Amino acid sequence: NAGVMQNPRHLVRRRGQEARLRCSPMKGHSHVYWYRQLPEEGLKFMVYLQKENIIDESGMPKERFSAEFPKEGPSILRIQQVVRGDSAAYFCASSPRLGGKNTEAFFGQGTRLTVV
Amino acid sequence: EDKVVQSPLSLVVHEGDTVTLNCSYEVTNFRSLLWYKQEKKAPTFLFMLTSSGIEKKSGRLSSILDKKELFSILNITATQTGDSAIYLCALSPSGNTPLVFGKGTRLSVIA
Repeated sequence: NAGVMQNPRHLVRRRGQEARLRCSPMKGHSHVYWYRQLPEEGLKFMVYLQKENIIDESGMPKERFSAEFPKEGPSILRIQQVVRGDSAAYFCASSPRLGGKNTEAFFGQGTRLTVV
Repeated sequence: EDKVVQSPLSLVVHEGDTVTLNCSYEVTNFRSLLWYKQEKKAPTFLFMLTSSGIEKKSGRLSSILDKKELFSILNITATQTGDSAIYLCALSPSGNTPLVFGKGTRLSVIA
């Protein structure tokens, strides 16, 4: 059973380009969370999705950032017109369902985005 | 607003030492508190605590929760260089609310 898979592992973008980060949850998991980690900071929640639904996007910047989790395929975090301040590690986590026995989230290896 | 504060932010110890990492929190509706170890990449799950006073143990690591005083500690005995990592404490509030993380404690174990 593969864990949470994120790709790419490293992504370099020039200012103004778009960044697309992908996350495939663990098999059987229908909840996906995206977190951002800046240097020397903890993980900051960005968005929580279930299949075809955004449940909580309170941590997402209002502009340039969007996320989706389609019925088929991975969850995508999209950052348009990237700026240097977007450089960070972006982690995806998945869990089977809230309120169940195993409520710990399992994390992917992260995507390190560098904006040059 | 739900909040997690970890201390110390960083710690350097020698192999064989025992360390205690602290995590205090504020939450409206508590479900559980989780500890993660983050080395170079993804955080890996260590413990989930839901009840006060019950120690969770895994090898040289142990953790306990105090829901009255709103804190948890993570103990590591006989530290090894492989314990060097960032240790993250996270709160799982009840309802459909994602994890809230502290900033982490960066532990460095030197030989």
